[in-house]
Amino acid sequence: DTAVSQTPKYLVTQMGNDKSIKCEQNLGHDTMYWYKQDSKKFLKIMFSYNNKELIINETVPNRFSPKSPDKAHLNLHINSLELGDSAVYFCASSQDAGGTNYEQYFGPGTRLTVT
Amino acid sequence: GEDVEQSLFLSVREGDSSVINCTYTDSSSTYLYWYKQEPGAGLQLLTYIFSNMDMKQDQRLTVLLNKKDKHLSLRIADTQTGDSAIYFCAERNQAGTALIFGKGTTLSVSS
Repeated sequence: DTAVSQTPKYLVTQMGNDKSIKCEQNLGHDTMYWYKQDSKKFLKIMFSYNNKELIINETVPNRFSPKSPDKAHLNLHINSLELGDSAVYFCASSQDAGGTNYEQYFGPGTRLTVT
Repeated sequence: GEDVEQSLFLSVREGDSSVINCTYTDSSSTYLYWYKQEPGAGLQLLTYIFSNMDMKQDQRLTVLLNKKDKHLSLRIADTQTGDSAIYFCAERNQAGTALIFGKGTTLSVSS
């Protein structure tokens, strides 16, 4: 069974469109995250959710919005897509946010290409 | 601010040891991590070390932590071609709520 899964694996879309990426974890973890990995493989945290509350929000454009319908899911919505949004987006989860069980488990990634 | 630095490339021959180095800035970091990313895949947690430890060994992996110099290293013994990947060093941010990743070291193993 996949611990952290994402759909779709690949997403090709045009500038200006709105798209969503879904993430699900079956580990029973309390905290979930979204990371962006650019073409140089640099990884940056975008969001994390703990018990349905957004606990961090780095300098990410407000075109990006995380939505968590329940503890096991954290979806990423992107409005008005731009060329610079092209990247691989990784979802991750951890048992808690600040305690000792902090190891993060990553999904396989969603490669977003904006044309 | 918080920052994690790594060299970008390392090339070794099969059977040799690989040492990947990392420096971090936040002296209050409690946990430091090593992740592996194979081509086209997500990140896999390899190992982590708590800040009150100097060394941690796990099969072919040895992690060394020098808190004074804020230096972390990952040694892979008897490196195999299957070890070719990008290795990321990471520390917790000051709030303890997220990971700050280095830029990753691409390890290339030749036979």
